[in-house]
Amino acid sequence: GAGVSQSPSNKVTEKGKDVELRCDPISGHTALYWYRQSLGQGLEFLIYFQGNSAPDKSGLPSDRFSAERTGGSVSTLTIQRTQQEDSAVYLCASSLGRGWEETQYFGPGTRLLVL
Amino acid sequence: GENVEQHPSTLSVQEGDSAVIKCTYSDSASNYFPWYKQELGKRPQLIIDIRSNVGEKKDQRIAVTLNKTAKHFSLHITETQPEDSAVYFCAHGGYQKVTFGTGTKLQVIP
Repeated sequence: GAGVSQSPSNKVTEKGKDVELRCDPISGHTALYWYRQSLGQGLEFLIYFQGNSAPDKSGLPSDRFSAERTGGSVSTLTIQRTQQEDSAVYLCASSLGRGWEETQYFGPGTRLLVL
Repeated sequence: GENVEQHPSTLSVQEGDSAVIKCTYSDSASNYFPWYKQELGKRPQLIIDIRSNVGEKKDQRIAVTLNKTAKHFSLHITETQPEDSAVYFCAHGGYQKVTFGTGTKLQVIP
């Protein structure tokens, strides 16, 4: 079946503008994760959704970052008042949701460039 | 804490040689240790994982070993091929969030 998809694939914005990044997880996956990957760096955990539970927001770097997941499926990551240091690839992943001990399937990412 | 240290950050090997990447962690509650491979410009993909009830797992040219006492685990790639060139991430987790290592850029020289 279809894998995790993300849109847009690339986004160029001006400093101070808001951006929305979208993630469509694999159908039936109840767990969804957002990560940030700066150039040549590792995977920085941002937020985790599991079913109807309250999300784990412990990785969000500032209050300019927020995410929601409507209907337990599609998720949107919003960055308000973007800064140049927000430039990175934003990766979404999903898993079946039975626990953390399971394979995460990553989307292709959204490459964000803040000018 | 849930930190994981990964070494080396870069690794170059001749085609056919073996490559070893090591990770150490601090959270004694961790019981799941996956490894992901990220080719240039592509998404990370799981290549092998191990759970704490075993000490070693092998899949063709790839193997992972786990030492829970010492809190470290390693990825072993034998008979390396140019297509093994990529960034490899270790990770660990349990009933907490999965934490990724900083990655190892492996270059296999033909």
